[in-house]
Amino acid sequence: AQKVTQAQTEISVVEKEDVTLDCVYETRDTTYYLFWYKQPPSGELVFLIRRNSFDEQNEISGRYSWNFQKSTSSFNFTITASQVVDSAVYFCALATRSRLTFGEGTQLTVNP
Amino acid sequence: DGGITQSPKYLFRKEGQNVTLSCEQNLNHDAMYWYRQDPGQGLRLIYYSQIVNDFQKGDIAEGYSVSREKKESFPLTVTSAQKNPTAFYLCASSIKWTMNTEAFFGQGTRLTVV
Repeated sequence: AQKVTQAQTEISVVEKEDVTLDCVYETRDTTYYLFWYKQPPSGELVFLIRRNSFDEQNEISGRYSWNFQKSTSSFNFTITASQVVDSAVYFCALATRSRLTFGEGTQLTVNP
Repeated sequence: DGGITQSPKYLFRKEGQNVTLSCEQNLNHDAMYWYRQDPGQGLRLIYYSQIVNDFQKGDIAEGYSVSREKKESFPLTVTSAQKNPTAFYLCASSIKWTMNTEAFFGQGTRLTVV
């Protein structure tokens, strides 16, 4: 069985604050991929990043950064200097050979 | 523009009626998916298709049916057997059915049973 847990249902911050979205996963597979998607109010999910199970390097893309730690089965997402446009639901997902599993999502609200 | 088009955006259905949600993609992707989104439950897979004329049940297929007669089209029928159909439905596609490919999503259809 595989599972993705996003313990934070809702987060509210003030613009320019840094915010970290947590993602913890479970799988018995040794080869897998982890994803983050953003769902703005318009509804469609937008792909943000993919990371495979053998690559634990952290990644930074502009204000976004991702911290993958196999030892704790976590793939956390940090937004630096948050902006109102970052307000959305963010999903973490785990892909193995047999299936793609999404977490429950974290609603991020960035207030001006 | 390349992408995935879902229609209609909002759909109302009376209890006991079947209804079909449309999903069309012009990305030339082999794999297509239907997900259901309920508040606090993330996305749950209803059906998926790896290739034309083939599809498989996902985690919550009961009360739903699909067809994949054309590469670009993957319609979902919500039947009267689906006990709680009110939800947000998302269609997605990916180049192949492999774990390292990201999915592209449509804007969704919000179905309400009245």
